[in-house]
Amino acid sequence: GAGVSQSPSNKVTEKGKDVELRCDPISGHTALYWYRQSLGQGLEFLIYFQGNSAPDKSGLPSDRFSAERTGGSVSTLTIQRTQQEDSAVYLCASSLPGSETQYFGPGTRLLVL
Amino acid sequence: AQSVTQLDSHVSVSEGTPVLLRCNYSSSYSPSLFWYVQHPNKGLQLLLKYTSAATLVKGINGFEAEFKKSETSFHLTKPSAHMSDAAEYFCVVSFSGGTSYGKLTFGQGTILTVHP
Repeated sequence: GAGVSQSPSNKVTEKGKDVELRCDPISGHTALYWYRQSLGQGLEFLIYFQGNSAPDKSGLPSDRFSAERTGGSVSTLTIQRTQQEDSAVYLCASSLPGSETQYFGPGTRLLVL
Repeated sequence: AQSVTQLDSHVSVSEGTPVLLRCNYSSSYSPSLFWYVQHPNKGLQLLLKYTSAATLVKGINGFEAEFKKSETSFHLTKPSAHMSDAAEYFCVVSFSGGTSYGKLTFGQGTILTVHP
């Protein structure tokens, strides 16, 4: 069956521009997570959605980062006024209700010049 | 707070020899623990998980891990390495509580190299 998909797979942007990263979770997975993988910090949690609500946003590094989820499905992570330190791979994962097992997408590799 | 420490940043083995990737965790309650693998330029794939059932957990591709509460360890092993096992491996602990559910904390990763 279809797994978690993310788009774009690669994104190059200039410092100061806004970017949007998209995640399509596995059908029926009510929980959705965003993580960031960078050389200096490893893999870090950003935000957790249950349905369309985000009860845990504790990992968002600054107010330039925001995320939303619509229809209990697709999620968008937006980074405003990008900085070079935002360069990383952004990973999305989803899980079934009541399960702690997460399935990851291939990631979006973001490079801020 | 919970945390995970992977004791080796790099492990190198010869094909056909055993693999041991070490992980220690810190958690204030009985944790859910996972091992994920990441092949170059690929996403994270679940190898196995421990969720307080049997302490010896079998995963995909011949990997297994043993949960040892007294040692707070969850080491990953495989009897015989294959070239295709070369990848980065992450030990992961899951947190559920308060407003969060299933929030994963990752170890720093262990890069496994397999020599012919």
